[in-house]
Amino acid sequence: SQKIEQNSEALNIQEGKTATLTCNYTNYSPAYLQWYRQDPGRGPVFLLLIRENEKEKRKERLKVTFDTTLKQSLFHITASQPADSATYLCALEVYGQNFVFGPGTRLSVLP
Amino acid sequence: DTGVSQDPRHKITKRGQNVTFRCDPISEHNRLYWYRQTLGQGPEFLTYFQNEAQLEKSRLLSDRFSAERPKGSFSTLEIQRTEQGDSAMYLCASSPGQSWETQYFGPGTRLLVL
Repeated sequence: SQKIEQNSEALNIQEGKTATLTCNYTNYSPAYLQWYRQDPGRGPVFLLLIRENEKEKRKERLKVTFDTTLKQSLFHITASQPADSATYLCALEVYGQNFVFGPGTRLSVLP
Repeated sequence: DTGVSQDPRHKITKRGQNVTFRCDPISEHNRLYWYRQTLGQGPEFLTYFQNEAQLEKSRLLSDRFSAERPKGSFSTLEIQRTEQGDSAMYLCASSPGQSWETQYFGPGTRLLVL
């Protein structure tokens, strides 16, 4: 069956450290993958998109990797700050039309 | 604020009642999506429109659910004969036709069915 998993429900890290979030999927073949941030009571906000032919994408303190062989994407936040505390969602493109979201990982950056 | 608005933001209703939600996308965005999100889960795709045409519906969208996008602008999502299991956050997102990979989400409508 098709499945998307994100490494854990919650991740706590110390301010200044690098947070690494994992998105694993099975029985999908996405042409690209996205990462979103969601704060409580609000809609998701788009962060980064990475295509199947790209190994890595960066934006400021964010970095995403995409390994289509392992069927895995890693999302890194370097020099993390308490303001980075939120739920992070990965989303796969499906059949060129819509998206399937993972369950999310709730990140808490402790001061 | 992404520019996508939803109304109402909160709705409490009794089981068996009908409810209707509205979404106003970013103007000139061709694609409009509806999702449902429950606590601790990611958004689940319900349906999407390309302009006024409804191009895909999830099997999650039972016959009690209907969505419209007249004239390709705002969209409405109606739930008839609500059930307690319909309690969730209903999210709308839009994307420009030429670059539909990036979705802009609204703040959502939180529905509670008593």
